[in-house]
Amino acid sequence: QVQLVESGGGLVKPGGSLRLSCAASGFSFSDYYMSWIRQAPGKGLEWVSYISSGSTYTNYADSVKGRFTISRDNAKNSVYLQMNSLRAEDTAVYYCASHSGYDSGLDYWGQGILVTVSS
Amino acid sequence: SYELTQPPSVSVSPGQTASITCSGDKLGDKYAYWYRQMPGQSPVLVIYQDTKRPSGIPERFSGSNSGNTATLTISGTQAMDEADYYCQAWDSSTDVVFGGGTKLTVL
Repeated sequence: QVQLVESGGGLVKPGGSLRLSCAASGFSFSDYYMSWIRQAPGKGLEWVSYISSGSTYTNYADSVKGRFTISRDNAKNSVYLQMNSLRAEDTAVYYCASHSGYDSGLDYWGQGILVTVSS
Repeated sequence: SYELTQPPSVSVSPGQTASITCSGDKLGDKYAYWYRQMPGQSPVLVIYQDTKRPSGIPERFSGSNSGNTATLTISGTQAMDEADYYCQAWDSSTDVVFGGGTKLTVL
């Protein structure tokens, strides 16, 4: 069955960095776009970034542009989110999700990983 | 930037029909997607491309999208349907955009 497992979260000080990983299994990872979505405590869903299947296309929400970088390794069935210059408002549960392309539904989601930015 | 607006909460009696709306400029020209999020769990896609149900999603879930409004309809609502529901669309300026979410209460 499809599994997406995030890792790399934790507590980090403002201005610090963190790298999230998402390991995929149970589907043809290299054929799928991948996105990161976050959810601040008690709040709604916020899309963060996506990357196309072959890494040709990426994009970011304005709130993270210039600070976060998405990448993937199809040989390792993994997608990553490098987060730099972290702020308190980046505190959230971060989910990775798969989708078949641009303008398609986010059909599978990971369990989420908590990132807390606090001094 | 593109925005989607949902009512914060909707209440429904067991066995009745619940309708959750999602409004956005010319939303009917885009595909609407709907997700259910149970407390403490990850979101699950329940409707894609306006009206289609992924495998495993009960037939009581249906969707429509026209004009500026997409609607998620749950027929014969059950207690287990109590959750937060989010609409989502893709927009050329914003890429993925989510609505603010609607808390469905079954009472």
